[in-house]
Amino acid sequence: NAGVTQTPKFQVLKTGQSMTLQCAQDMNHEYMSWYRQDPGMGLRLIHYSVGAGITDQGEVPNGYNVSRSTTEDFPLRLLSAAPSQTSVYFCASSKQRTGVKSGANVLTFGAGSRLTVL
Amino acid sequence: AQSVAQPEDQVNVAEGNPLTVKCTYSVSGNPYLFWYVQYPNRGLQVLLKYLTGDNLVKGSYGFEAEFNKSQTSFHLKKPSALVSDSALYFCAVRDQASGGSYIPTFGRGTSLIVHP
Repeated sequence: NAGVTQTPKFQVLKTGQSMTLQCAQDMNHEYMSWYRQDPGMGLRLIHYSVGAGITDQGEVPNGYNVSRSTTEDFPLRLLSAAPSQTSVYFCASSKQRTGVKSGANVLTFGAGSRLTVL
Repeated sequence: AQSVAQPEDQVNVAEGNPLTVKCTYSVSGNPYLFWYVQYPNRGLQVLLKYLTGDNLVKGSYGFEAEFNKSQTSFHLKKPSALVSDSALYFCAVRDQASGGSYIPTFGRGTSLIVHP
């Protein structure tokens, strides 16, 4: 099925370990983003990209790195995991229509990756 | 700047009764408004969206929302709730005046619990 695919679904890390959350979409969406979801905090934007080779920081970027070498893939890297990064992570993508059509840029979300840092 | 508020962390309703989940927003221009739903252990999916035109927007699964510009609100409604509607609901806004910004702002979410 077309959509946004996230791997892994579950991961347990020890403090200080590094890992990469993978995100791939097959809808030719220009815009891709990573959110974390924490109880009572809603969705917070970590990083986003408006196209291959272009990334920018969101609301909570510290401790995370991203790159966008292709249109399809947008991996999120945790360089040195901390317990505060225990969360559910969602990747989301959308078309990048401009002007009056931009309102139709509805986000398509992946199923999420649950990360626990001990 | 754009922002959105969902004043209720949780809404409880009996099956068959009408439900309302509240959302208010703030933008400098005109808004694009969205409701997303998250079922347990799933990602978010869009329920409905307001871009322009009619203030009453109909969406999936019998949900609707009314855009009220004077009250800056976009409340989600359904005439008769089902147990299967129990989920987490997020309101989101994008400012039409944001130019090249494609980033919506999400509310903190409201947990809807429908009791049998």
